[in-house]
Amino acid sequence: GESVGLHLPTLSVQEGDNSIINCAYSNSASDYFIWYKQESGKGPQFIIDIRSNMDKRQGQRVTVLLNKTVKHLSLQIAATQPGDSAVYFCAEMNQAGTALIFGKGTTLSVSS
Amino acid sequence: KAGVTQTPRYLIKTRGQQVTLSCSPISGHRSVSWYQQTPGQGLQFLFEYFSETQRNKGNFPGRFSGRQFSNSRSEMNVSTLELGDSALYLCASSLGVGNTIYFGEGSWLTVV
Repeated sequence: GESVGLHLPTLSVQEGDNSIINCAYSNSASDYFIWYKQESGKGPQFIIDIRSNMDKRQGQRVTVLLNKTVKHLSLQIAATQPGDSAVYFCAEMNQAGTALIFGKGTTLSVSS
Repeated sequence: KAGVTQTPRYLIKTRGQQVTLSCSPISGHRSVSWYQQTPGQGLQFLFEYFSETQRNKGNFPGRFSGRQFSNSRSEMNVSTLELGDSALYLCASSLGVGNTIYFGEGSWLTVV
């Protein structure tokens, strides 16, 4: 079946470090992936997305890398700030394009 | 541009009761989907609507239902509430198939 998972449940970094959050997916036919940030008490917030015809996509301080060969996705956050502390989810869109399949999330803790 | 709006934000219900949650999508978005988030199961897809038609449904019992109105607003209903239904219920919207999905802040349901 389809599933999306994350490698680590928690990640602790120092302010100013670069953070890398990883995600593995199982459906090789998936062609759209999204990273979300969820702060305590709030809904998931869109960060960045990538389609399967790309290997890399950059946003403001964030980069998503997609390795289709090993079905791996990563989110890189440059110069991590305390405000980046949250739970990060990768999500895979189903083949119908109507629903997301989420991994279990990685809690990023940034200390100053 | 207003985001996805959900009401109520918090509610407490008793086992056996039923509950209705409301969602207003981002203006212009015609696809509305619902997700349940719990600590144990994570984020799970409930159902998706487009132009008042349910196009996709997740693996939830029939006690969970929804509908979409002609103005794209949506409601979901849970009947005969069980303690295990306590969760954050998230509504999301998008322009349509294969487009980015944006989430609201959620409705926190506690069943006692």
